[in-house]
Formats: sequence, structure tokens, C-alpha cells
Amino acid sequence: NAGVTQTPKFQVLKTGQSMTLQCAQDMNHEYMSWYRQDPGMGLRLIHYSVGAGITDQGEVPNGYNVSRSTTEDFPLRLLSAAPSQTSVYFCASSWGRGSSYEQYFGPGTRLTVT
Amino acid sequence: SQQGEEDPQALSIQEGENATMNCSYKTSINNLQWYRQNSGRGLVHLILIRSNEREKHSGRLRVTLDTSKKSSSLLITASRAADTASYFCATDAPAYDKVIFGPGTSLSVIP
Repeated sequence: NAGVTQTPKFQVLKTGQSMTLQCAQDMNHEYMSWYRQDPGMGLRLIHYSVGAGITDQGEVPNGYNVSRSTTEDFPLRLLSAAPSQTSVYFCASSWGRGSSYEQYFGPGTRLTVT
Repeated sequence: SQQGEEDPQALSIQEGENATMNCSYKTSINNLQWYRQNSGRGLVHLILIRSNEREKHSGRLRVTLDTSKKSSSLLITASRAADTASYFCATDAPAYDKVIFGPGTSLSVIP
């Protein structure tokens, strides 16, 4: 099993550009989520999905869109990149929602917006 | 404000010593998890402890939970250079359907 995969590993964008961060998992997990990690702030939840066709906002959703057309894929779209979105982005998946479930994380995408 | 916060922010020890880090949280929880993150990598789940448990072990890891003090500790015994990483506690958000991560403890184990 590949687990959770993310592409790209690194990305540099100019302010105002858009892009999609890809995330895929091969464990048939229903729950997937996107986090951003900034120094000293831990991980903050951006969006999450409890199954194909169902998504919801997390703690810091502004400037990001998600969709979940299949169980395997959960892409994160930056609509118009801003320097404040410079961060490391992690995708995670688990069997269910909440703290009873272990989350499996991808390797991350390091994004710089200039 | 953070639901869970680790303490200390950074810890440096010699190989072979024990490392202890703590997590305090604000509201009651169902479960608490600990994760490890090696530099430049994603988080890896270490251990989950439920609110009705007081202690759990996994290899060289020992986790305790004191719900009366709203705190947990992670002890790594006989540390190795490979234990150098950041360690995060993750707890229920007040609605119990999400997980909130603390800012982490950065552990350096010096060979």
C-alpha cells in the first residue's frame, strides 16, 4: 500500500495564481482532511470530508476549496494565492471522524507564495 | 486558543536518557493521541489513550492521562538519536467530531 500520497512536494506561486494540491489514499478510508502547519501553531484543519460527495469546513477554510468525487482522492484548491498561504500542507485519512481514529498523514506539500 | 498544548516547547537530552513531555488541555475529552513528526515528514501516530484509561505502553513509550488535571505525559525511555523529532498531542475539539493538534514539543537526542 502507498498509504497517503501528495503531489507536488514543493511549489512556488506568485500572488494571485491558483493551483491544486493533490491527495490520494489507497486504504479505502472514508474520512479525509487537509491541514496546514505553520511554525509554533501546530496543525490547523482547513477542510474535511466524511465520504465521497460530502465536504465541510474546518478551522481556517478561507481561500481554499475542496471536492471529493471518489473515496480515494481529495484535492485542495487555492483560488487566488496570497503570501499568508505560505505553509506546509498535509493531507490525512482515517477510518472515521474524531479522536477515536488514528490519522494517516501524507508527506506534505511545502508551498511558498511570493 | 489551543485545546491541547505541549510542554516544554523544546527539549534536548543525551542518548540513553529518558524524555518526558506533557500535554495540557482545556475541556473534557474522549481520547488523546500522540503523534511524532520527523523533520520534513508527515505525522505518524504513536499511541491513543481513552479517557477511562490512566496509562498505556507501546515499546519504549509510556503515556499517562490524568483527567482531573486535564493533562497527559509522554515518556520515551532510553532515547536514541532516531527519536529526534517533534511530538504532538491531539485531542477532541469541544464538539468531539474533530481533532485539534497542539503546537508540539521539539525533541533533540544528542548521540
